[in-house]
Amino acid sequence: AQTVTQSQPEMSVQEAETVTLSCTYDTSESDYYLFWYKQPPSRQMILVIRQEAYKQQNATENRFSVNFQKAAKSFSLKISDSQLGDAAMYFCAYRSANTGNQFYFGTGTSLTVIP
Amino acid sequence: EAGVTQFPSHSVIEKGQTVTLRCDPISGHDNLYWYRRVMGKEIKFLLHFVKESKQDESGMPNNRFLAERTGGTYSTLKVQPAELEDSGVYFCASSHKKEWNTEAFFGQGTRLTVV
Repeated sequence: AQTVTQSQPEMSVQEAETVTLSCTYDTSESDYYLFWYKQPPSRQMILVIRQEAYKQQNATENRFSVNFQKAAKSFSLKISDSQLGDAAMYFCAYRSANTGNQFYFGTGTSLTVIP
Repeated sequence: EAGVTQFPSHSVIEKGQTVTLRCDPISGHDNLYWYRRVMGKEIKFLLHFVKESKQDESGMPNNRFLAERTGGTYSTLKVQPAELEDSGVYFCASSHKKEWNTEAFFGQGTRLTVV
């Protein structure tokens, strides 16, 4: 079964600075998708960024970018120019392109942004 | 457009009681998922509906859990009788298509505490 590991339960960053959240995963598949979801306190979980495994180019969405290392099975999220609104729980997720339809999530990283 | 809505947002019940969680997916979304996060652990898949049919219920922990989606619209997840280890946050998600790169839209979750 696929597993997703987020080794940082908590992280903090100064406002306007850059922070990187780590995520590694284990799979024997070659086709899959990776996601970062963000859940602000008591709010809905929303998609931050998505990466297709067949694409070598790292995905970017404004201040959010990923460092996707397929061979190392690593998928870190970089948040640049951190804002107070970035404070949330961040979940890394894996989804197979071949089998099943479910997401496999990590344990989450709680990000605090310090004013 | 309304997002995925879950009711109630919090529930505290005694061991042995019954609780029913409700999820209203985004209108028109055939796929509906239930996930659960036990404190400090990863978000785990429970089951997947396509319209009113259970596509995959491999994640359901035991027969104390019953999910329904009559008419293919909203879904309920009933826990009867509840046990202490059922405590956690229950997430519902929906998506329109089954493409693997499609994001799932999540609700804010129902925090269930069994005492």
